Amino acid sequence: KNEVEQSPQNLTAQEGEFITINCSYSVGISALHWLQQHPGGGIVSLFMLSSGKKKHGRLIATINIQEKHSSLHITASHPRDSAVYICAVKAGSNYQLIWGAGTKLIIKP
Amino acid sequence: EPEVTQTPSHQVTQMGQEVILRCVPISNHLYFYWYRQILGQKVEFLVSFYNNEISEKSEIFDDQFSVERPDGSNFTLKIRSTKLEDSAMYFCASSPRLQETQYFGPGTRLLVL
Repeated sequence: KNEVEQSPQNLTAQEGEFITINCSYSVGISALHWLQQHPGGGIVSLFMLSSGKKKHGRLIATINIQEKHSSLHITASHPRDSAVYICAVKAGSNYQLIWGAGTKLIIKP
Repeated sequence: EPEVTQTPSHQVTQMGQEVILRCVPISNHLYFYWYRQILGQKVEFLVSFYNNEISEKSEIFDDQFSVERPDGSNFTLKIRSTKLEDSAMYFCASSPRLQETQYFGPGTRLLVL
């Protein structure tokens, strides 16, 4: 069983739509990361959170520790948001990030 | 804004050859990481490095791999005898403290023929 599961695997939406990407994990964590990977391969950290909710521009990330679940929301989606969004967790005092498989998002104009 | 840099951006090598991938982490960061991503697969942790020693490594990081911080700025990953299955994108990352955001380099795409 994968320790980090994301859904959906692929998501295509129209510009302006509200987007939700989900992440569930099975291990105890000290932090959860949301990252964005562009078609060229580069990885950018979007959020790191261990409780509650964080917002940056049109992006919102929430986490429910009891349910071991996190969501990434994009409001007023735009074609430039098209990328792979990856959830990764840091388990306890470990150094490594355990990565999900990613959600490929395509926003059509 | 400070960023993590990696060289080369692409490397092609023959099976059995040694390769060294180079990274310059952000200058005041203390924790350094190598990850790899085989084409079409998820990112995998290789190794973390703190205080001039390996702090954690994965099962992938076997005796063929080594890391070094030869001076105050560079952080290198060496693969001693490359195999076909080492073909992947290799990402370096750094963070100022353990429980903080990791900043990623642009990656080195390694192709082993």
